[in-house]
Amino acid sequence: QVQLQESGPGLVKPSETLSLTCSVSGGSISGYYWTWIRQPPGKGLEWIGYIHDSGSTTYKPSLKSRVTISLDTSKNQFSLKVSSVTAADTAVYYCARTDMTFLRYAVDVWGQGTTVIVTS
Amino acid sequence: DIQMTQSPSSLSASVGDRVTITCRASQGIGNSVAWYQQKPGKAPKFLLYATSTLESGVPSRFSGSGSGTDYTLTISSLQPEDFATYYCQQYYTTPPTFGGGTKVEIK
Repeated sequence: QVQLQESGPGLVKPSETLSLTCSVSGGSISGYYWTWIRQPPGKGLEWIGYIHDSGSTTYKPSLKSRVTISLDTSKNQFSLKVSSVTAADTAVYYCARTDMTFLRYAVDVWGQGTTVIVTS
Repeated sequence: DIQMTQSPSSLSASVGDRVTITCRASQGIGNSVAWYQQKPGKAPKFLLYATSTLESGVPSRFSGSGSGTDYTLTISSLQPEDFATYYCQQYYTTPPTFGGGTKVEIK
């Protein structure tokens, strides 16, 4: 039973870089797409991007210039960095596992979410 | 990006009611639709993919249908634990995009 846990600062200053880490326990990193999704307060879900265990990344085009997702297989962790943050980046950030094996598409394991507020 | 328009944005229903939520894509998405349930303060829960393939462990009262640009999630007999917000997601193109959500409330 794979479990995910986000960690990182809950407050970030405008123009600085938001950094979050997701720890994966109870299962392997291999074969999946490790995903970040966010949800602004009272709003819907926004897909940010993912990294495959091969190291390949895919980002939402409108965020691509500010986002980096990386993977540390030795620690069973993956990370998100969002640079030059503004108030619009305030959200609950979820790490998740996307399973795209055998014609399946499922964001089937989620972390509990961590709130990040951009404020001076 | 493909826009996913969900309707209604909210609805009130009673236990035992049949509930249908609709998602319309801004272009054809070839049955590449998934649905999620989210309760307040919790992460979304994956329900189904490929329009109608139910995730293991999801009750059979949930079903999905559709084609082309129009897709639906149906709850055949609403249960107390089903009161939540539901989101559709297309994964036909990158970036995957979500609908705005449908909040199912108790009447």
